[in-house]
Amino acid sequence: QQQVKQSPQSLIVQKGGISIINCAYENTAFDYFPWYQQFPGKGPALLIAIRPDVSEKKEGRFTISFNKSAKQFSLHIMDSQPGDSATYFCAASRMDSSYKLIFGSGTRLLVRP
Amino acid sequence: GAGVSQTPSNKVTEKGKYVELRCDPISGHTALYWYRQSLGQGPEFLIYFQGTGAADDSGLPNDRFFAVRPEGSVSTLKIQRTERGDSAVYLCASSLNGHSGAEQFFGPGTRLTVL
Repeated sequence: QQQVKQSPQSLIVQKGGISIINCAYENTAFDYFPWYQQFPGKGPALLIAIRPDVSEKKEGRFTISFNKSAKQFSLHIMDSQPGDSATYFCAASRMDSSYKLIFGSGTRLLVRP
Repeated sequence: GAGVSQTPSNKVTEKGKYVELRCDPISGHTALYWYRQSLGQGPEFLIYFQGTGAADDSGLPNDRFFAVRPEGSVSTLKIQRTERGDSAVYLCASSLNGHSGAEQFFGPGTRLTVL
């Protein structure tokens, strides 16, 4: 049972373009939605996170948009750079479930120079 | 400061053998999580420790998997009678207190290959 669905599976963007990755969740009890970035051979690293009482959060070139009624959230990477090439995972967690992270299946982003 | 460290970085074993994977969390972090990441997939939760106790082991796939954290710091994930399907990267993460919004810091993982 996949509780967090992520798309697309892979994404190619030109340098300077906008990368958009989407996630949908099923469990309305989720109360924390982080995005993680993972480079080959490394563990995931937190990029940005949002709570359901906020519709948007921006940190530098990275923005999360959150739609509670649709149970969807997305990551926007503005002015994408080749160094952003990595795998991105959305995740969700909830207070009554140990705050264990439920991850999406990942999006492999390639930013072409 | 030092991040989460995991040893070994790679482990190759034969089917049926026993393996131990070690995690050193960030000093002072009371919460520790183990995840398993198969190729091309997102990490999947295995077990969560708050201090010395396993507060949630609902992700352990079967009784061949066991984990301990005897002094509330280092944790060891133990796999008995390994199977080829156990091959994956095993990730450890720690957070300050396991509460909402407490960032989970991941280690680099141990790549387990069962031949």
